[in-house]
Amino acid sequence: GENVEQHPSTLSVQEGDSAVIKCTYSDSASNYFPWYKQELGKGPQLIIDIRSNVGEKKDQRIAVTLNKTAKHFSLHITETQPEDSAVYFCAALGANAGKSTFGDGTTLTVKP
Amino acid sequence: DVKVTQSSRYLVKRTGEKVFLECVQDMDHENMFWYRQDPGLGLRLIYFSYDVKMKEKGDIPEGYSVSREKKERFSLILESASTNQTSMYLCASSPYLRAYNEQFFGPGTRLTVL
Repeated sequence: GENVEQHPSTLSVQEGDSAVIKCTYSDSASNYFPWYKQELGKGPQLIIDIRSNVGEKKDQRIAVTLNKTAKHFSLHITETQPEDSAVYFCAALGANAGKSTFGDGTTLTVKP
Repeated sequence: DVKVTQSSRYLVKRTGEKVFLECVQDMDHENMFWYRQDPGLGLRLIYFSYDVKMKEKGDIPEGYSVSREKKERFSLILESASTNQTSMYLCASSPYLRAYNEQFFGPGTRLTVL
C-alpha cells in the first residue's frame, strides 16, 4: 500500500520567515496530494491541494510543489504569521480513490 | 458549508465497556471515514464506507466495527474498550469515491479508557 513520510516533525520559525514541509510517497499511481491544517481543538481542514498533472500551485502565502519523478511534494508558507501555528498533514490519494494515506504531521510554531 | 458533527467531544469509559461514537454529515457525501490520531503517528484509517451498508477495513480495524444504516450517519463501535484505544477519534466525509476530493473532518472525540 501507499506509504507517506513527512519531515520535519516539528518546525519553529520567526514571524515573517518562510516554512517548508516535505513529504515523500511510495505509490507512483497516486495523483492527488492535499495538505491539511489542524488547529488546536479542531479537525484538520484542507488548505491547498495539487493534482499530478500540475507541478506547482499557489494560493496567496501558501504554495505546493510536486515532483512526480522523485515522488515528493512540499508545502511552502511565506511571510509566516502566529496564526499559521498548527499541525500540518500531507496526504496522498492513490488509484483506489477515496482512501488517503496521511503523513505523521508537522507541528509548526511561529514565534512573534 | 459542509458540516461534520461528532456526538461527543470528550468521553471517558471503563475497560470492557461497549462504546459508540457517532458521526453525522449534512452534505449528502457518499464516503465516510473513521481515523484515530495519536501523537507522532498521524491519522490512521480504521474503517471507511462508500455507501449505505457498505464498509471497508482501513489500516487498523482490529478491535473496532462500524455501522452505516443511513447515508448521513457513520458509527464507530468499540465492542470491548481497552486502554490502548485511548485516543482522539476523527470522522470525515467526502464526495463520490472515484473523484479526487478533499475530506471534511469533524472536531474529534477524545476518548479515554480507564
